[in-house]
Amino acid sequence: GENVEQHPSTLSVQEGDSAVIKCTYSDSASNYFPWYKQELGKRPQLIIDIRSNVGEKKDQRIAVTLNKTAKHFSLHITETQPEDSAVYFCAARTTGKSTFGDGTTLTVKP
Amino acid sequence: DTAVSQTPKYLVTQMGNDKSIKCEQNLGHDTMYWYKQDSKKFLKIMFSYNNKELIINETVPNRFSPKSPDKAHLNLHINSLELGDSAVYFCASSQAWGTEAFFGQGTRLTVV
Repeated sequence: GENVEQHPSTLSVQEGDSAVIKCTYSDSASNYFPWYKQELGKRPQLIIDIRSNVGEKKDQRIAVTLNKTAKHFSLHITETQPEDSAVYFCAARTTGKSTFGDGTTLTVKP
Repeated sequence: DTAVSQTPKYLVTQMGNDKSIKCEQNLGHDTMYWYKQDSKKFLKIMFSYNNKELIINETVPNRFSPKSPDKAHLNLHINSLELGDSAVYFCASSQAWGTEAFFGQGTRLTVV
């Protein structure tokens, strides 16, 4: 089955700095890669996603890159703000199933 | 106008009891899921249903039984609750494979 590894498990940055979270996956059949943000005590919510036929996608301060050959994808957050502090999950999805990474706790210090 | 709603939000119960968590989505999605998030925040899929049919059953003890009476509902019944069942359970739905999953607000289950 699919195995998704996510690094780092914790990340602390100063406000205004960039943050990068990386994930690798094992199943070459995975074709959809969403990223979720989960604030404390709340539900995971999609912040950006990318499909296997695209190499990069950007939405304001967040961007995701995908390297299908190497089977890894990354989340980039620029100009971080304290409200970006949360747990971020990557996921790799194949038919009918999403496998989630173990999450990255991002702390943005003011 | 909640898209995916679960009840109850909190559930405290004793070991050995049987309990149910209900989930409803009003998005018209075909696919629904149950996820378990443990104390370390790991998010693991338990079940996936497509059009009321069980598609994914991820090595979950058979004390856990999902039921989908219709496309908009996916309930989770748990028999003989154990301490290790304590977690937050999230229901989710998506329009189809390979699309965004919308999560419910979660049910925090505490077994004492």
